Amino acid sequence: DGGITQSPKYLFRKEGQNVTLSCEQNLNHDAMYWYRQDPGQGLRLIYYSQIVNDFQKGDIAEGYSVSREKKESFPLTVTSAQKNPTAFYLCASSTTLNTGELFFGEGSRLTVL
Amino acid sequence: GQQVMQIPQYQHVQEGEDFTTYCNSSTTLSNIQWYKQRPGGHPVFLIQLVKSGEVKKQKRLTFQFGEAKKNSSLHITATQTTDVGTYFCAGGGYSTLTFGKGTMLLVSP
Repeated sequence: DGGITQSPKYLFRKEGQNVTLSCEQNLNHDAMYWYRQDPGQGLRLIYYSQIVNDFQKGDIAEGYSVSREKKESFPLTVTSAQKNPTAFYLCASSTTLNTGELFFGEGSRLTVL
Repeated sequence: GQQVMQIPQYQHVQEGEDFTTYCNSSTTLSNIQWYKQRPGGHPVFLIQLVKSGEVKKQKRLTFQFGEAKKNSSLHITATQTTDVGTYFCAGGGYSTLTFGKGTMLLVSP
């Protein structure tokens, strides 16, 4: 059953702590993305990757970091430098960068206490 | 950078009424995609339009891409309660897609 798996679904963090969100896909897609969703703000791009060992900053990359060591995996770390990290985080993948359907994971909801 | 504006932000209709959401880009787009996100869910792809003036239909949904490839619309005929959710457009430009802020649709039975 192909798709994108995000974990954890819910996460609570204390201020000052880093947290890593997992994203795994078995669709054999080259491109992967991380979006942040806040109420009324739509989807804002954090980071994206077109190929293994390469990634690019999106519109709101400050306070986040990523890695792409394997084609299937694109974890996102929310660092303590992110001033307002409470949000819904969505991982997505596609066959190519600019065209073609985005497949989304079910999301990870991060709450900073 | 590229900006995609979507209106209205919110619409509440009675079941059976029609609904339309509009998307406008500050730049010419290579393609436009539409997604639906149910409450508590994740966005799901509906369609992609590529050609100038293109019109596509999916049952009660009609999607249009403007002649100048800078605007698009999604029209739902005779809404049903299952149409509830947020509809996003996403414009393709130089690199990644740029999403509009979405239109939240509520349908009362």
